Amino acid sequence: EAQVTQNPRYLITVTGKKLTVTCSQNMNHEYMSWYRQDPGLGLRQIYYSMNVEVTDKGDVPEGYKVSRKEKRNFPLILESPSPNQTSLYFCASSPRGVAGVYEQYFGPGTRLTVT
Amino acid sequence: GQQVMQIPQYQHVQEGEDFTTYCNSSTTLSNIQWYKQRPGGHPVFLIQLVKSGEVKKQKRLTFQFGEAKKNSSLHITATQTTDVGTYFCRVRGNKLVFGAGTILRVKS
Repeated sequence: EAQVTQNPRYLITVTGKKLTVTCSQNMNHEYMSWYRQDPGLGLRQIYYSMNVEVTDKGDVPEGYKVSRKEKRNFPLILESPSPNQTSLYFCASSPRGVAGVYEQYFGPGTRLTVT
Repeated sequence: GQQVMQIPQYQHVQEGEDFTTYCNSSTTLSNIQWYKQRPGGHPVFLIQLVKSGEVKKQKRLTFQFGEAKKNSSLHITATQTTDVGTYFCRVRGNKLVFGAGTILRVKS
């Protein structure tokens, strides 16, 4: 089944404790992206990747890191989480690098709480 | 800079009533996509519009792209409880952005 998977689905952590949220897609998509969703603000892009070893900042990249060593995986790293990073996070992928032309496939989401 | 606004932010309708959400941009768009997110779920792609004045239909849903390619609408005829959720537009102007979404609640 074609899908985007994220782990963990739920995470409660403390300020400053490094964490990684994994994202994997099995559709051989070139484009992958991370979003955070907060009430009233919609989906804001954190980072995106047009292909392996190619990543770029989105609208809200501060406090986050990403890597794209393999085509299928695009982990999101929070080196020192803070409470303002409490949010619902979505990973998404698209078939091509020109992502605006193609639909995005979203993972199930990761709800992160930082205390 | 590019701004996109979705209106209304929230709408509560009686089952069977119609519903419309609008996506308005400050700049001309090359295309627009619509997504639906059910409560507790993830966004799911509905449709993409590319041409000026384009109208597409999916059963009870009608999507329209404005003549000036600066706005779009999603209209649902005779809403059902299965229509509840948040509807997002995703636009491509000088960059790709999602609108803040319109939350639809349906009273049965």
